[in-house]
Amino acid sequence: QITLKESGPTLVKPTQTLTLTCTFSGFSLSTSGVGVAWIRQPPGKALEWLALIYSNDDKRHSPSLKSRLTITKDTSKNLVVLTMTNMDPVDTATYYCVHKFGSGWAFGNWGQGTLVTVSS
Amino acid sequence: QSVLTQPPSVSAAPGQKVTISCSGSSSNIGNNYVSWYQQLPGTAPKLLIYENNKRPSGLPDRFSGSKSGTSATLGITGLQTGDEADYYCGTWDSSLPGGVFGGGTKLTVL
Repeated sequence: QITLKESGPTLVKPTQTLTLTCTFSGFSLSTSGVGVAWIRQPPGKALEWLALIYSNDDKRHSPSLKSRLTITKDTSKNLVVLTMTNMDPVDTATYYCVHKFGSGWAFGNWGQGTLVTVSS
Repeated sequence: QSVLTQPPSVSAAPGQKVTISCSGSSSNIGNNYVSWYQQLPGTAPKLLIYENNKRPSGLPDRFSGSKSGTSATLGITGLQTGDEADYYCGTWDSSLPGGVFGGGTKLTVL
């Protein structure tokens, strides 16, 4: 059974850096082809893909946010970390950690999500 | 403004069939697999369809997916009140490059 859980601050101030940790079980990031992504959803709005990291450490980032995002993994601890710099109120959203499913572009298992509010 | 275009809302009566469209371009839907997600109120999205038309194990066959050219469609038959949710399509866009989602479609079962 695959599970993922996000953790991190619920409130950050503008210009601060957000660090979110995804702790997962039921799969290993040492297995070839496995990927973990971050997706966010502002309140009442659509999903937005942020970043993806594969087991071979190949990384993909949203072009519009690439300069602000860093995604890393710790295979031995079964965790993935996302950092986003220079936070702004428009970054207020629920941030989801997700397991990439299969060889195409699909996400089969999602964390419960964590709401991050950016406010002074 | 989402890269993929979905109707904001659709509705149908219980027991009926509904389709939700997702329109894109050759750089996304036209040359990449499409996935579909259901998001019930207050919950995380759930994968319904992957690789255009495949269902994850255990998902009822009331849900179906198809793709033609630069558009994809999600179909739901035998509508139930429990199907009321937001539905999203997603794919990879080779020109950006990056993952993209539609703006979401709210399904109301009247």
